[in-house]
Amino acid sequence: DAKTTQPPSMDCAEGRAANLPCNHSTISGNEYVYWYRQIHSQGPQYIIHGLKNNETNEMASLIITEDRKSSTLILPHATLRDTAVYYCIVRVDNNAGNMLTFGGGTRLMVKP
Amino acid sequence: AAGVIQSPRHLIKEKRETATLKCYPIPRHDTVYWYQQGPGQDPQFLISFYEKMQSDKGSIPDRFSAQQFSDYHSELNMSSLELGDSALYFCASSSQTSGSNKQYFGPGTRLTVT
Repeated sequence: DAKTTQPPSMDCAEGRAANLPCNHSTISGNEYVYWYRQIHSQGPQYIIHGLKNNETNEMASLIITEDRKSSTLILPHATLRDTAVYYCIVRVDNNAGNMLTFGGGTRLMVKP
Repeated sequence: AAGVIQSPRHLIKEKRETATLKCYPIPRHDTVYWYQQGPGQDPQFLISFYEKMQSDKGSIPDRFSAQQFSDYHSELNMSSLELGDSALYFCASSSQTSGSNKQYFGPGTRLTVT
């Protein structure tokens, strides 16, 4: 699986958009970009995923660059409850276990 | 909506004892995963099962074993516990037929070994 690079920490003001970058320059053509987050000591939570098109759901938007070497997770109106560690994970979708490899992540602090 | 259930939520054991953690996946999910998260660390994959067969194996110690039963629940058995086994243990489930790697995590079991 492709390696990802994320900033270790970011701050965001409550109510503002949080833009979390992820670099995955070695991504392969059949690898998806997944985002999960973990609020303190809770189980990780799926946010969104995409292959090459931008994606949006009720939680966030995912913007993937045309060359697919980087992406940005956007939380449009961050709240205090969005304070968490955000993990960008690149994976091939197949039926062989599909384990997630968590590494690094960005600790987002939403401040009032 | 039903979520992944883990029991117990908290467990305290002494060194060299055994522990069994249980995981009940979301109904109709056919795949179960176990992750271990030590203090200040990221979750690390241990093992997974698809349709009751082991499908992938990560950094699971030989002292640990796991299985998935006919009702799709899974148990993680841990023997000869060591202080370093103190961690949060998460179970996740997914549906292979959904075609995505969307895993749903339980609330975790906090194991403390004294």
